Amino acid sequence: QKEVEQDPGPLSVPEGAIVSLNCTYSNSAFQYFMWYRQYSRKGPELLMYTYSSGNKEDGRFTAQVDKSSKYISLFIRDSQPSDSATYLCAMSVGTEMRFGAGTRLTVKP
Amino acid sequence: EAQVTQNPRYLITVTGKKLTVTCSQNMNHEYMSWYRQDPGLGLRQIYYSMNVEVTDKGDVPEGYKVSRKEKRNFPLILESPSPNQTSLYFCASSPGIGTSPLHFGNGTRLTVT
Repeated sequence: QKEVEQDPGPLSVPEGAIVSLNCTYSNSAFQYFMWYRQYSRKGPELLMYTYSSGNKEDGRFTAQVDKSSKYISLFIRDSQPSDSATYLCAMSVGTEMRFGAGTRLTVKP
Repeated sequence: EAQVTQNPRYLITVTGKKLTVTCSQNMNHEYMSWYRQDPGLGLRQIYYSMNVEVTDKGDVPEGYKVSRKEKRNFPLILESPSPNQTSLYFCASSPGIGTSPLHFGNGTRLTVT
């Protein structure tokens, strides 16, 4: 079993849809939780960064962390074609950082 | 502009021919790291460095070397590349691991034939 599980998709939605991306993990020690967005032929760029459980909102993006269930989510409201990318979840504790395999999202006009 | 710069972006080489991928950051970050990205496996850490002259193995260090002689540079060295090292490589930096997110370069696509 992988330490971080993420459905690779691909996920295709119409413009304006609400997108839900999820990851589960096995190491209960993880403290910091991140979502990165990766466009084709580019490096991952930080989208959301949260510490411990709870919700964090930034514009159309909301990150949720449920440490009791070892489950994190990223919601994208009013999705746009420019949101088409691969989304990577990541989590860390101390010097250990683990990434999900990424979910490829396509938002169709 | 704050950035992590990798070179080259694309590299095709043959088995056994030593190569170096350079990485440089202009943010005065102490922590630097190398990852490889393979389909279905995500990002896996190769080596990391907490500061100058301090390096340590990540999850998949076999066949790779690194050095950290200056704070801004963290080259990745493949002394004898093999086809199973064909991958997409990313360098990343951070003010400090665990408490700060990573800043990534744009990647180096390596093909070893």
